[in-house]
Amino acid sequence: GAVVSQHPSWVICKSGTSVKIECRSLDFQATTMFWYRQFPKQSLMLMATSNEGSKATYEQGVEKDKFLINHASLTLSTLTVTSAHPEDSSFYICSAKDTWGNQPQHFGDGTRLSIL
Amino acid sequence: GQSLEQPSEVTAVEGAIVQINCTYQTSGFYGLSWYQQHDGGAPTFLSYNALDGLEETGRFSSFLSRSDSYGYLLLQELQMKDSASYFCAVRGRNSGGYQKVTFGTGTKLQVIP
Repeated sequence: GAVVSQHPSWVICKSGTSVKIECRSLDFQATTMFWYRQFPKQSLMLMATSNEGSKATYEQGVEKDKFLINHASLTLSTLTVTSAHPEDSSFYICSAKDTWGNQPQHFGDGTRLSIL
Repeated sequence: GQSLEQPSEVTAVEGAIVQINCTYQTSGFYGLSWYQQHDGGAPTFLSYNALDGLEETGRFSSFLSRSDSYGYLLLQELQMKDSASYFCAVRGRNSGGYQKVTFGTGTKLQVIP
């Protein structure tokens, strides 16, 4: 089945650091990838939709300058949390959908970000 | 906009059958998905319904009624490892005309011996 690889799985860093998270579709092309954030015991909240070759579409309330998204190829999207602060600590999950057909999303394993 | 409702918690006995319901509101419906998430892990895809009816995959089945904006996930022969949170997710169309997937708040299933 479809595989989505997300890296790194765990990040601990100091406040003010910028952190980059990668999301790769390994066996299919993904024109669109999605970035979610999930706080403990809560549902997944869509942050942005990443479109290959164009600007990402951000959900209301998500700071574009804070969460930089780049989708440079059909198999790779990156999320950079700039100048991270403790309140940015969360579980970040990417997902991707095969370009062709009406298929569901497949998720990466997530990145647990802890800002000290 | 899009919204979904599902029960917050369900408890069932090992070996039994449990049904988790999901009702949704959306524009331009494309499909309803179900995901399983164990504590500390990422969601894993279980099933997808684009058309009315029942889809069966092993012990798990999912049902959709588009006219009722309703679906359910059916888990049979429950095992202890099925204890997890289950999310329904609807793919619809946002105000800008683009497809968007919205997740429900999740149902925490506890399987007891």
